[in-house]
Amino acid sequence: GESVGLHLPTLSVQEGDNSIINCAYSNSASDYFIWYKQESGKGPQFIIDIRSNMDKRQGQRVTVLLNKTVKHLSLQIAATQPGDSAVYFCAENRRMGYGNKLVFGAGTILRVKS
Amino acid sequence: GAGVSQSPRYKVAKRGQDVALRCDPISGHVSLFWYQQALGQGPEFLTYFQNEAQLDKSGLPSDRFFAERPEGSVSTLKIQRTQQEDSAVYLCASSRQQGNTEAFFGQGTRLTVV
Repeated sequence: GESVGLHLPTLSVQEGDNSIINCAYSNSASDYFIWYKQESGKGPQFIIDIRSNMDKRQGQRVTVLLNKTVKHLSLQIAATQPGDSAVYFCAENRRMGYGNKLVFGAGTILRVKS
Repeated sequence: GAGVSQSPRYKVAKRGQDVALRCDPISGHVSLFWYQQALGQGPEFLTYFQNEAQLDKSGLPSDRFFAERPEGSVSTLKIQRTQQEDSAVYLCASSRQQGNTEAFFGQGTRLTVV
């Protein structure tokens, strides 16, 4: 079946280091991807998105890379801070006849050590 | 309102009890989604509304689950005869228009069935 999944369930990094969270997808027709951050007790929060006609997009301290050849995307967080500790999800924006729906992966836990 | 609001935040139900979960989307948002998030998992799609029309209910796990959005704004997710496997966080998200890429999530309702 089609799915969106993550390679690493837990990532621990030292404060100030860069973090890289990976995600694999299998639906080659998907043309839009989103990274969400979810803190304990909260709903997912939009971080950054990328369309399939791009291979890189940068935001504030975050960069998303998309490799369509191997159906892989990653989220890079520069100078990771304690406030970055959360669960990170990649989501595939799957086009439906009526519009779109988000298909989420299982998530990666990011722990930042001070 | 400023964001998507869900109530109650927490609900404990005895097995067999009916529950109703409420979602107040961002004012003016056309699209509304319900997701179910089990512990340690990513959100799983349940159903989608465009205004008052329920266009996709393919994710509802059984006929015990029912959702409505009668006036195209507030939505209610009802679960009849709750079972322990229904225990999860139920997330609501809204977006401004059909096919709009960014969906804003509420904080969710944590349902525990005992």
